[in-house]
Amino acid sequence: KAGVTQTPRYLIKTRGQQVTLSCSPISGHRSVSWYQQTPGQGLQFLFEYFSETQRNKGNFPGRFSGRQFSNSRSEMNVSTLELGDSALYLCASSRETQETQYFGPGTRLLVL
Amino acid sequence: AQSVTQPDIHITVSEGASLELRCNYSYGATPYLFWYVQSPGQGLQLLLKYFSGDTLVQGIKGFEAEFKRSQSSFNLRKPSVHWSDAAEYFCAVGAGGSGTYKYIFGTGTRLKVLA
Repeated sequence: KAGVTQTPRYLIKTRGQQVTLSCSPISGHRSVSWYQQTPGQGLQFLFEYFSETQRNKGNFPGRFSGRQFSNSRSEMNVSTLELGDSALYLCASSRETQETQYFGPGTRLLVL
Repeated sequence: AQSVTQPDIHITVSEGASLELRCNYSYGATPYLFWYVQSPGQGLQLLLKYFSGDTLVQGIKGFEAEFKRSQSSFNLRKPSVHWSDAAEYFCAVGAGGSGTYKYIFGTGTRLKVLA
């Protein structure tokens, strides 16, 4: 079974731009969670989507948003990029919300 | 508040030596517990998990972890470390109910293996 895939793997953007990251979960998994990883803050939960609905949201500003499609694929969007948004963004999928999460390789975003 | 503590930021061991990585959590109920490993530039790979039952859990790559409720700990162990084990290790707690469930991660322990 194919694992979680994330595209693109690397992105360079400038301040003020917006960016969209994509995540394809493991087949049969309906929950997708997003995390931000930075050296200073570690791994922090952004949000979780299940069956196209946001179930839970972390403590991030409204510039961070996401959505999930009927095939469980998910996208996350960051608008008005700031330097501090430079991070590794990890997507994880699970069959149901409270089951084991499997992570993708991440998208490394650099904001200049 | 829910939290996960990994007291050791860096650990260095010689190849073939035993390893123990510490993890303590703060949570009101028995949480779901996980250990993940991350190689440079990569995502997180699941090593093992504890939901319930036997408190000694076996994982991949020869790792095991023991859940100790009285100490709120879930330490990761390996009897003999290989050079390929050099990576960063994260302990995580799955906490919350419907609508609030999420992983809370520790800050990670970076393992260096000496040849």
